[in-house]
Amino acid sequence: KAGVTQTPRYLIKTRGQQVTLSCSPISGHRSVSWYQQTPGQGLQFLFEYFSETQRNKGNFPGRFSGRQFSNSRSEMNVSTLELGDSALYLCASSQGTVGEKLFFGSGTQLSVL
Amino acid sequence: AQTVTQSQPEMSVQEAETVTLSCTYDTSESDYYLFWYKQPPSRQMILVIRQEAYKQQNATENRFSVNFQKAAKSFSLKISDSQLGDAAMYFCAYGTNTGNQFYFGTGTSLTVIP
Repeated sequence: KAGVTQTPRYLIKTRGQQVTLSCSPISGHRSVSWYQQTPGQGLQFLFEYFSETQRNKGNFPGRFSGRQFSNSRSEMNVSTLELGDSALYLCASSQGTVGEKLFFGSGTQLSVL
Repeated sequence: AQTVTQSQPEMSVQEAETVTLSCTYDTSESDYYLFWYKQPPSRQMILVIRQEAYKQQNATENRFSVNFQKAAKSFSLKISDSQLGDAAMYFCAYGTNTGNQFYFGTGTSLTVIP
């Protein structure tokens, strides 16, 4: 079974631009979560999608948005990029049951110049 | 809001020895889930161990075991017979009972000395 796939692995953008990150979950998984990882801050929860609906949302500004498609693939969009958005963005998938383990991808490293 | 604290930014252990990583959390819920994840240089987070709060028995997975103290809100990870492959960043995480929203600590970087 293929694991969680995130594309692209690396991304360089400039301030004010927007970016879209993609995540393909493990086959059969209906829940996709997104996390932002920065040095010293650890992982911060962005949002979770389950069966195309946002089920949970973290404390991030509205510039961060996401969606999930009928095949469970998910995209995350960040508009009007700021320097502080530079981070590793991790996607995780699961079947969607509360408390079950998450399977993570290798992340997308975003650098904002 | 739930918070997870890992007070040891860095730890080191001699190969074949035992090391314990600390984690405390703050919550008002009675039902929740706790996890330890490992992140090697490849960046992919790997589950080490999972604990359900309603179970008093401490979880174990081969060389990995936890000391779960619910009243003290403490969840430490013990690694026995440490191996070079155990070197990584270790994250403690809290999972709610209302969805897959996890709260992570800031991590402990573990070095294994040959």
